[in-house]
Amino acid sequence: KAGVTQTPRYLIKTRGQQVTLSCSPISGHRSVSWYQQTPGQGLQFLFEYFSETQRNKGNFPGRFSGRQFSNSRSEMNVSTLELGDSALYLCASSLNAQQETQYFGPGTRLLVL
Amino acid sequence: AQSVTQPDIHITVSEGASLELRCNYSYGATPYLFWYVQSPGQGLQLLLKYFSGDTLVQGIKGFEAEFKRSQSSFNLRKPSVHWSDAAEYFCAVGNLEYGNKLVFGAGTILRVKS
Repeated sequence: KAGVTQTPRYLIKTRGQQVTLSCSPISGHRSVSWYQQTPGQGLQFLFEYFSETQRNKGNFPGRFSGRQFSNSRSEMNVSTLELGDSALYLCASSLNAQQETQYFGPGTRLLVL
Repeated sequence: AQSVTQPDIHITVSEGASLELRCNYSYGATPYLFWYVQSPGQGLQLLLKYFSGDTLVQGIKGFEAEFKRSQSSFNLRKPSVHWSDAAEYFCAVGNLEYGNKLVFGAGTILRVKS
C-alpha cells in the first residue's frame, strides 16, 4: 500500500497570505490528524478528522482550519499567515478514530517570509 | 491534562553500546503510549506502541520499551546501537477520550559515535 502523501512538500509564502496543504491517507484509512512541528514548540496537535467530521481540535487560533472529503483526503488551511506559522506540518492517518496506530506522512515544510 | 517529559535533549552513545531513552507521562487513566523516530527532513516512523497487556513491548529495528505504571514511565531501549539509529526520538501519549490525538514529548536527539 502507498503511504501517506502530502503535497506540496515545500512552500514559501509571505505574511498575510493564505495557504492550503493537502494530505492523502493510506487507502482504507478514515481518520486524518494534523500536527505542527517547530523547533520552539515541538509537535503540537492541530485537529483530527474522521468521516468528514472534525473530532478533536488543538489549541490553535481560528486562522487554522481543515476539512476532510468523502474519499478521506484532507486539507488544512492557514489564513493571514504570520512568521510564526513557519513549520513542518505533518499529517497522520489511521484506520479509525480509537487510538489506532497512526502513520505519518513526510510533511509539508512551510516558510513564511 | 496529558503531558510527556523526555528529560534528555541529546544523548551520545558509541556504536555497539546499549541505549535507554527516558519517557515519563502524566495522565490519570491507562494511557496509550508510543515511540516514534524521525530522521532529518522526514516524517515520523512508529517504532512501537503499548495499548495493554504485556508491559514489555517489542518494536522494529531491535527496539523495545517497558511500561511501568508505578513510575509513569515508558523507556525505550536497544541492546546494541547502530550508526543508522542516529535520529530524533519522540515519546507520545494518547487516550480514547481524545480520539487519535497524541501529545508528544520534546524529543531526544541520539548521536552515535564510531
